[in-house]
Amino acid sequence: DAKTTQPPSMDCAEGRAANLPCNHSTISGNEYVYWYRQIHSQGPQYIIHGLKNNETNEMASLIITEDRKSSTLILPHATLRDTAVYYCIVRGKAAGNKLTFGGGTRVLVKP
Amino acid sequence: DAGVIQSPRHEVTEMGQEVTLRCKPISGHNSLFWYRQTMMRGLELLIYFNNNVPIDDSGMPEDRFSAKMPNASFSTLKIQPSEPRDSAVYFCASSHGQGSDNEQFFGPGTRLTVL
Repeated sequence: DAKTTQPPSMDCAEGRAANLPCNHSTISGNEYVYWYRQIHSQGPQYIIHGLKNNETNEMASLIITEDRKSSTLILPHATLRDTAVYYCIVRGKAAGNKLTFGGGTRVLVKP
Repeated sequence: DAGVIQSPRHEVTEMGQEVTLRCKPISGHNSLFWYRQTMMRGLELLIYFNNNVPIDDSGMPEDRFSAKMPNASFSTLKIQPSEPRDSAVYFCASSHGQGSDNEQFFGPGTRLTVL
């Protein structure tokens, strides 16, 4: 699986959009980009995933660059409950069902 | 839907004792995963099952660890004998189907402390 690079931490103002970057320059054509988050003392929670096209669901939007070497997770209106560690994971057929978690980005939403 | 259920939520034991962690996956899911999370090593996959069969146990640290899935609705992770370095949060997750286009749903975890 391609490795990912994320900033270790970032702050965000409550009510504003949070844009979380992820670099995955070695991604291959059949690998998906997944985002999970882990709120303190809870299990990781699936947010969204995509292959090539941008994706949106009730939680977030995922913007994948045309060359697929990077992506951005957008939380449109961050709330205090969005404070968590966000993990960007690249996952392909070679990995089968496996998710490999890196260090993630620790996001602190401030009032 | 109750989600993935894990028990116990907290376990404190003494070095040398046997520890058994339990997991009930989401009904209808046919893949089950055991992860371990520590401050030093982050979140690591230990083993995963598909249709009750272990597929990849390369993450299991050593012979003291064993996992079973006797049926589609139950799995155990056993540590015997336990050691202080096994102290961690152990998560179980499940998913429907195989492949890289399936999300995994995680349980609340079991916090294990080995004294």
